[in-house]
Amino acid sequence: ETGVTQTPRHLVMGMTNKKSLKCEQHLGHNAMYWYKQSAKKPLELMFVYNFKEQTENNSVPSRFSPECPNSSHLFLHLHTLQPEDSALYLCASSQDKADTQYFGPGTRLTVL
Amino acid sequence: QQQVKQSPQSLIVQKGGISIINCAYENTAFDYFPWYQQFPGKGPALLIAIRPDVSEKKEGRFTISFNKSAKQFSLHIMDSQPGDSATYFCAASKGSARQLTFGSGTQLTVLP
Repeated sequence: ETGVTQTPRHLVMGMTNKKSLKCEQHLGHNAMYWYKQSAKKPLELMFVYNFKEQTENNSVPSRFSPECPNSSHLFLHLHTLQPEDSALYLCASSQDKADTQYFGPGTRLTVL
Repeated sequence: QQQVKQSPQSLIVQKGGISIINCAYENTAFDYFPWYQQFPGKGPALLIAIRPDVSEKKEGRFTISFNKSAKQFSLHIMDSQPGDSATYFCAASKGSARQLTFGSGTQLTVLP
């Protein structure tokens, strides 16, 4: 595997389900990010981790819970989501203080 | 409050033509302006970026023009090709690139 990988690529869940999204970066980076991408809207930064420590939380509802066990892996735990949370969730990584963020292919989430 | 406004929302260009996408920003503290290209089913990928100490940057067929006084920057794609058909996002950040603010995207279609 190279670059940034995300699993699953597609997820359908009910409002009462609990699921997790996984991201893994194979680039040796130490900063990782979660973004939400909705149709015709700007990418929304959700969380930032640097050296496994959360450095940014952009007012994301508590039904989204991130976890970063090490610099290569990032999870987004989902619980009691709403239909408006349906979107493409993108993970990205970068070398600390570097300009370029490398994105994964995303997980297409549908909440019924 | 959207800090980076992108236009047009969609653009159709004939093969060989010039594609122009514009962005305007509000925060004068922004000091890094990347453009990302996203193909269907893929995450965004960095295409080209500029800092405000130069007014233009060119990489192959892609050029960023930057107007600091007007707080605007644009992407020009010369000799547009069908393979350039994708969604393009402008972005801006200050200090560390960890706080990228994205525009809403432009869907470019290049007709053969």
